[in-house]
Amino acid sequence: GIQVEQSPPDLILQEGANSTLRCNFSDSVNNLQWFHQNPWGQLINLFYIPSGTKQNGRLSATTVATERYSLLYISSSQTTDSGVYFCAVAGGYQKVTFGIGTKLQVIP
Amino acid sequence: DTAVSQTPKYLVTQMGNDKSIKCEQNLGHDTMYWYKQDSKKFLKIMFSYNNKELIINETVPNRFSPKSPDKAHLNLHINSLELGDSAVYFCASSQGLNTIYFGEGSWLTVV
Repeated sequence: GIQVEQSPPDLILQEGANSTLRCNFSDSVNNLQWFHQNPWGQLINLFYIPSGTKQNGRLSATTVATERYSLLYISSSQTTDSGVYFCAVAGGYQKVTFGIGTKLQVIP
Repeated sequence: DTAVSQTPKYLVTQMGNDKSIKCEQNLGHDTMYWYKQDSKKFLKIMFSYNNKELIINETVPNRFSPKSPDKAHLNLHINSLELGDSAVYFCASSQGLNTIYFGEGSWLTVV
């Protein structure tokens, strides 16, 4: 199956700082999504982005499918951004594989 | 209205018992999933159904049996619960390979 690597595994930011999270994957994908799991356990879809660039407020994501990576940018971080960020990919047959996540802590 | 709802949210039970977790989605999606999240936060797919048909069945003990009575429901029944089954179980749905929507999770503790 497709291997998904996320980096960094842990990240501590001062409120207001910017950050970049990375997701590398081992094979061609037709599905890539970014999720945020908040401290209460809720999993929220941030982006569906198998290729290209998307922006939503302070968050943006870019996937370069030919080079097998995706980046999630968080600008002007807030304490509510804390949690775990997951990258999930699929190469077909609807088997979506998740990375191990990046745990982000934003401190005031 | 909650898009993907699962019940119960918390479940504490003894080893050897049988339990079920129910899931319903009101998004009109054709695909539903069960994921297991362990104590290290690793999310692993267990089952996937498309239009009530099982399409993904990962290496899961046969004590776990999914049932999809219709496109909007995917229930998970677990027989002879073991300590290692303690985890958070997430139901999710999507339309084909598009955006996945997760339920709020069911925290299962086996004692």
